[in-house]
Amino acid sequence: DADVTQTPRNRITKTGKRIMLECSQTKGHDRMYWYRQDPGLGLRLIYYSFDVKDINKGEISDGYSVSRQAQAKFSLSLESAIPNQTALYFCASRDGPRDTQYFGPGTRLTVL
Amino acid sequence: DQQVKQNSPSLSVQEGRISILNCDYTNSMFDYFLWYKKYPAEGPTFLISISSIKDKNEDGRFTVFLNKSAKHLSLHIVPSQPGDSAVYFCVASAGGGTSYGKLTFGQGTILTVHP
Repeated sequence: DADVTQTPRNRITKTGKRIMLECSQTKGHDRMYWYRQDPGLGLRLIYYSFDVKDINKGEISDGYSVSRQAQAKFSLSLESAIPNQTALYFCASRDGPRDTQYFGPGTRLTVL
Repeated sequence: DQQVKQNSPSLSVQEGRISILNCDYTNSMFDYFLWYKKYPAEGPTFLISISSIKDKNEDGRFTVFLNKSAKHLSLHIVPSQPGDSAVYFCVASAGGGTSYGKLTFGQGTILTVHP
């Protein structure tokens, strides 16, 4: 079984809709992350969480919110989706700041 | 501002030959560097890393070289295999007491190894 899972894997939605992307990890890591990937730009950090009570903005957090429901679960929400949020979204987890970051398989989001 | 740059969007290599992927960075605070590999429909996976106190790290067919004065690193794959065909991301991290180990990704290089 995969260590980091993401649901859904693909999502098509319309402008203005609220959507949630979910992430779960079975590695027992405290730190979890959300990234987006756009063509030609690599991965950019949206939000990160060190534990359930510690959530922080990354470099591109505008238009997004997150919820850390448990150590193993970290959800990303788009309150009112817009077309330029069309991207590939990755969730990741790690144990410590220098440890390997484990990524989920990604969610491809299309906003029409 | 792209702090980690991979100027070659793609690289094509014959099986058995050496693949060299290059990366430049601008932030002198970066002290830890990684390479991640990504296959289609999968998330990136860790490949190899190097600390700024070293100039070389080797793991099997993969070797990463770091030139701090030039702010340049490279990944060598010898010999290249068709299964190495993937997108390779150069990644940098800044340490320090308050750092959260933020990873800064380059744009990626698509490596294609032909049989």
